[in-house]
Amino acid sequence: DQQVKQNSPSLSVQEGRISILNCDYTNSMFDYFLWYKKYPAEGPTFLISISSIKDKNEDGRFTVFLNKSAKHLSLHIVPSQPGDSAVYFCAASRSNSGYSTLTFGKGTMLLVSP
Amino acid sequence: DVKVTQSSRYLVKRTGEKVFLECVQDMDHENMFWYRQDPGLGLRLIYFSYDVKMKEKGDIPEGYSVSREKKERFSLILESASTNQTSMYLCASRLWDRDGYTFGSGTRLTVV
Repeated sequence: DQQVKQNSPSLSVQEGRISILNCDYTNSMFDYFLWYKKYPAEGPTFLISISSIKDKNEDGRFTVFLNKSAKHLSLHIVPSQPGDSAVYFCAASRSNSGYSTLTFGKGTMLLVSP
Repeated sequence: DVKVTQSSRYLVKRTGEKVFLECVQDMDHENMFWYRQDPGLGLRLIYFSYDVKMKEKGDIPEGYSVSREKKERFSLILESASTNQTSMYLCASRLWDRDGYTFGSGTRLTVV
């Protein structure tokens, strides 16, 4: 049962345009959401997060939107740059044996072309 | 910056071997995690630890065990490696519950 879904395996965008990466979740117990970026042969790096009490969080070119009623979040990158080309993982936090752990989606590969 | 170091970038092991994957973090983090990443499946939690000598099963613990004898070190053990354990293994740590994770660079394990 996949609780965090990233339905687009890949996305291609031109440099300077907006990239929108989407994520859906099914477990209503998730209350904290994060985005990670991963380059080949490296571990994922934290990008941005949002608590379920908010509907938007911004950090520079990156904005995450959360729609709790739809159980949907999205990551907007504006403007997109070639260095943003990577796999992006959506993750959601839930309690597990009294502590929180992260459940990840399958990832979306973003390609930003010059 | 927190550093999470995985001892090997690439490993090739034979079916049936006992395999140890080592992970060390240098910032006194309480929590440590082992995930595996497979194409089309994303990252899946194998085991995690919230304190020394403490371990909890994740979503896919079968065929694995872990050891945390010291706070900075979290080992993943494949008791008898099988070809379906060929994967990228990622270790992560965090200071407190609800913090984001810091990941290591990963160990790509091939079991032949």
